[in-house]
Amino acid sequence: AQSVSQHNHHVILSEAASLELGCNYSYGGTVNLFWYVQYPGQHLQLLLKYFSGDPLVKGIKGFEAEFIKSKFSFNLRKPSVQWSDTAEYFCAGFYGNNRLAFGKGNQVVVIP
Amino acid sequence: DTAVSQTPKYLVTQMGNDKSIKCEQNLGHDTMYWYKQDSKKFLKIMFSYNNKELIINETVPNRFSPKSPDKAHLNLHINSLELGDSAVYFCASSQAAYRNEQFFGPGTRLTVL
Repeated sequence: AQSVSQHNHHVILSEAASLELGCNYSYGGTVNLFWYVQYPGQHLQLLLKYFSGDPLVKGIKGFEAEFIKSKFSFNLRKPSVQWSDTAEYFCAGFYGNNRLAFGKGNQVVVIP
Repeated sequence: DTAVSQTPKYLVTQMGNDKSIKCEQNLGHDTMYWYKQDSKKFLKIMFSYNNKELIINETVPNRFSPKSPDKAHLNLHINSLELGDSAVYFCASSQAAYRNEQFFGPGTRLTVL
């Protein structure tokens, strides 16, 4: 089945630590991938997206992600997190023409 | 200047009732969606409309009926509510149906007692 998987559902780290969240997708063909963030009690906001071109994608709030086709991965990174990065992070990808499949999310807690 | 808005934000109701959630987008998008986010935060597509036509209908009980009066609005009506319907329902929109970035509304937290 076509799917997106995320690992290490709960991540706790201190401010200024580096963050990396893994995302793997299991379908072939054209790949369009996204990372969304959901702050507590809020809606999903787009952090970054990959459609084509440079596999290293820069997003908002200092986040970046790298698409590695050979590893079927699209991992999210931030070199130095802040308390305000406490949120749920979702990787998502299209399968078929317009069905967006979400991973189960990573709950990230940043301790001041 | 809210892009995708939903009402109500919270909805608490008894089992067996019928309720509706409304969604509106002012982005001029052609495509709108309903997602369900369960208690474990898992998000799943339910329906999608493109220019008022239903294009995605996932395995959802037929107690759930979407309606799109125009391409800026997509409402979700739920009949005979059950405990398992408790979740957060998100509306989203995209410029077109084919592999476009989706913009999400603030969500409606439905609690069925």
